[in-house]
Amino acid sequence: DTEVTQTPKHLVMGMTNKKSLKCEQHMGHRAMYWYKQKAKKPPELMFVYSYEKLSINESVPSRFSPECPNSSLLNLHLHALQPEDSALYLCASSQELAGWNIQYFGAGTRLSVL
Amino acid sequence: AQTVTQSQPEMSVQEAETVTLSCTYDTSESDYYLFWYKQPPSRQMILVIRQEAYKQQNATENRFSVNFQKAAKSFSLKISDSQLGDAAMYFCAYRSEDRDDKIIFGKGTRLHILP
Repeated sequence: DTEVTQTPKHLVMGMTNKKSLKCEQHMGHRAMYWYKQKAKKPPELMFVYSYEKLSINESVPSRFSPECPNSSLLNLHLHALQPEDSALYLCASSQELAGWNIQYFGAGTRLSVL
Repeated sequence: AQTVTQSQPEMSVQEAETVTLSCTYDTSESDYYLFWYKQPPSRQMILVIRQEAYKQQNATENRFSVNFQKAAKSFSLKISDSQLGDAAMYFCAYRSEDRDDKIIFGKGTRLHILP
């Protein structure tokens, strides 16, 4: 089973709202990732958690706040977003095996900020 | 810093034909990993094929194969017997052996399959 589950699939929010994106994996992977993807562009890395600790923050604005409550769950808390933050947000997880660190992606949350 | 270049923004191929997507990369490292990911309109990124830099033998996965030319820093993807389900955005990606949590993606190639 290589499933990464993201909820919700779609989200519409106003600029004053607070919302959260959720990501779950039950593969025992030690690393989890958040990516932002604009239309027709490659994913851009936002955050990486390794063993439940934040290991990479790609200078993401503070209106995005990640959280890793346990090894299976990753959240992205959203507050005071801007219309330009509208995008597909992808979660991924990975585990090193025999030198490989393959990332498995979820189907994403399509976020629209009005 | 490493970079990944996909020079073909869009390509089309007739169903059942063969198509090759190109990818070049720039790195000063000797050990690294290369990937092709597929992203259909359903949005989920799926790993298609992977290659370790120290292995000279080209990777194959059913109808998908790569032509890995380490000296030329080239990593092209060949899709044989193209099927309608192959229509997707294809991303070439690089991972350093040292910074194994970070993948560098190319800009992608949109592949259309013509019936």
